Amino acid sequence: DTEVTQTPKHLVMGMTNKKSLKCEQHMGHRAMYWYKQKAKKPPELMFVYSYEKLSINESVPSRFSPECPNSSLLNLHLHALQPEDSALYLCASSPQGASTDTQYFGPGTRLTVL
Amino acid sequence: GQQLNQSPQSMFIQEGEDVSMNCTSSSIFNTWLWYKQDPGEGPVLLIALYKAGELTSNGRLTAQFGITRKDSFLNISASIPSDVGIYFCAGQLYGNKLVFGAGTILRVKS
Repeated sequence: DTEVTQTPKHLVMGMTNKKSLKCEQHMGHRAMYWYKQKAKKPPELMFVYSYEKLSINESVPSRFSPECPNSSLLNLHLHALQPEDSALYLCASSPQGASTDTQYFGPGTRLTVL
Repeated sequence: GQQLNQSPQSMFIQEGEDVSMNCTSSSIFNTWLWYKQDPGEGPVLLIALYKAGELTSNGRLTAQFGITRKDSFLNISASIPSDVGIYFCAGQLYGNKLVFGAGTILRVKS
């Protein structure tokens, strides 16, 4: 089973709202990732968690706040977003975060900020 | 920083034709990955390559890890309408970080 699940599939929020994106995997992977993707562009890395600790933050604005409650779950908390933050948000996981790992992506959450 | 040059940017081919796309880099990678993405969905892994010179097949797909570790190609034989989508190459050298190509948009004319 190489499945990463994400909820919700679609989210519309106002600029003053607080919402959360959720990601789950049951492959026993110890590295999990958040990416942002604009239409017809490649995914852009936002955060990496390795063994439940934040290991990479690609200078993401503080209105995005990641959380890794346990080895299977990854959340992305959203607050005071801007319309330009509208995008497809992808979660991925890999076995250990090594340079020979393979990353598996979830289906994404389509976020629209009004 | 590391960059991948993926070509062609887009292709419009007849059903049944073979397709070829490639990625090149000025940097070496330890792993090359090829993903396909349908509209509104996440990238799906097609083929993973771990050794220089490695040639791997997955059904009608064949990919190779260049011997210099700086390039990779993906071939699709006998294309069908469901091959439509965006194909991304990605290289990995250090730990968790993937470097993506800009993508190849494949359109198939039935």
